[in-house]
Amino acid sequence: KAGVTQTPRYLIKTRGQQVTLSCSPISGHRSVSWYQQTPGQGLQFLFEYFSETQRNKGNFPGRFSGRQFSNSRSEMNVSTLELGDSALYLCASSGKLAGENNEQFFGPGTRLTVL
Amino acid sequence: AQSVTQPDIHITVSEGASLELRCNYSYGATPYLFWYVQSPGQGLQLLLKYFSGDTLVQGIKGFEAEFKRSQSSFNLRKPSVHWSDAAEYFCAVGPHQAGTALIFGKGTTLSVSS
Repeated sequence: KAGVTQTPRYLIKTRGQQVTLSCSPISGHRSVSWYQQTPGQGLQFLFEYFSETQRNKGNFPGRFSGRQFSNSRSEMNVSTLELGDSALYLCASSGKLAGENNEQFFGPGTRLTVL
Repeated sequence: AQSVTQPDIHITVSEGASLELRCNYSYGATPYLFWYVQSPGQGLQLLLKYFSGDTLVQGIKGFEAEFKRSQSSFNLRKPSVHWSDAAEYFCAVGPHQAGTALIFGKGTTLSVSS
């Protein structure tokens, strides 16, 4: 059974640019969550999508956005990149059904470097 | 406030020695508790989880953890550490509902000496 896949694995951008990251969940999973991991702040929740709807959102500025497609694949977008956006962005999938146990399976992450 | 505390930032253990990583949480409702491991440049791998029932849970790679409600703790243990266990370990807490945000501790880096 394939795990969570994320593309690209590495990305280098400059300040002011925008970036789109992609995540494909485990087959059958309908929930996709995104986390940002930095040395200073650790792992922080960005948002979660279920059946193409954003259900939860963390405390991040509006420059961070996401969406989910009908096949459960998800993308997150960061506009007007800042140096502080450099991080490992992790995607996690869970829950074949709404209300199922909250066990999240993580992908390998996308390492974003902003210069 | 909901939070997870991992008091030890870095631990060094000799190969073959036992290991205990500490985790304390603050959570209003009945929590789901998790331990994840992360190797350099990799994502998070689930080691074990506690949802309910037996408070001693077994995980992969010979790890186990014990949930102690009275102490709000969920410590991770392994009787004999292998060099390949060197990694960063994260404790996390979350509600029961699927897709809800997990709250992570800051992590403990484990080094294994020969």
